[in-house]
Amino acid sequence: DSGVTQTPKHLITATGQRVTLRCSPRSGDLSVYWYQQSLDQGLQFLIQYYNGEERAKGNILERFSAQQFPDLHSELNLSSLELGDSALYFCASSAYGKSGNTIYFGEGSWLTVV
Amino acid sequence: GQNIDQPTEMTATEGAIVQINCTYQTSGFNGLFWYQQHAGEAPTFLSYNVLDGLEEKGRFSSFLSRSKGYSYLLLKELQMKDSASYLCAVSSGGYQKVTFGIGTKLQVIP
Repeated sequence: DSGVTQTPKHLITATGQRVTLRCSPRSGDLSVYWYQQSLDQGLQFLIQYYNGEERAKGNILERFSAQQFPDLHSELNLSSLELGDSALYFCASSAYGKSGNTIYFGEGSWLTVV
Repeated sequence: GQNIDQPTEMTATEGAIVQINCTYQTSGFNGLFWYQQHAGEAPTFLSYNVLDGLEEKGRFSSFLSRSKGYSYLLLKELQMKDSASYLCAVSSGGYQKVTFGIGTKLQVIP
C-alpha cells in the first residue's frame, strides 16, 4: 500500500458525460501528479500540483481540468467524455515535488466510456 | 520538450541477467527514475539516479550517464515474477515534473 488513495476504482459512463476522479496523497505529501494510461500505452503526464498551485502541465485536454484543495487532496474532472478517454487514471504524490523525492502511485481509477 | 526512448519488449530466461536501456533528451534534467509495473497495477518505485554511475540494490542495479543522456536497469538472477513493464522516467524542472517513457515489457521464460 503506497498510501495514495484514489476513488472510484472503477467507473463506467456514457459519452458526453462528466466524471470526477478523486485522490488523497500520502500523509504529508505536498505534490500531486495525474497520469493517464490507455491500454498498452505508456503513462501520459497530465498535470502536477504543489501545495494547491499548478506547477506543470502536460498533454491535458481542454475538456479535462484538475485542482488541489487546501487539505491537499486533488480532483481530476473529465467532461464531454469520448470513447478514447477510456483509460486507467493514476494519481501520484511526492513529499515536496522536488528532485529526489520518490513518487508514489495510487491504485488507479479505471474509466470506461461507452 | 522531452524525449524518452526504451525498447518496447524484451525476453529473457529465468536465472539470467537482462539490461534494459533508456535514452533521453530533456532540459532542466535533475534525475532519472525506474519503476516496475505489472499489468493493470500501479507502478512501484525501483531506483532513482541523480549522479553518474551505478546504484545497486539487491538484484536490481541502475546506471546513469548524464553526458550521454543514457541509463540502464540491470536485473540479475531473473525470476518469473520479474515479468512486468519497466518504466524509465525523467525528472526535470524545479518542481520535479516527471515524464515517463513508453515502458519495456519484459517476459521471463523458463
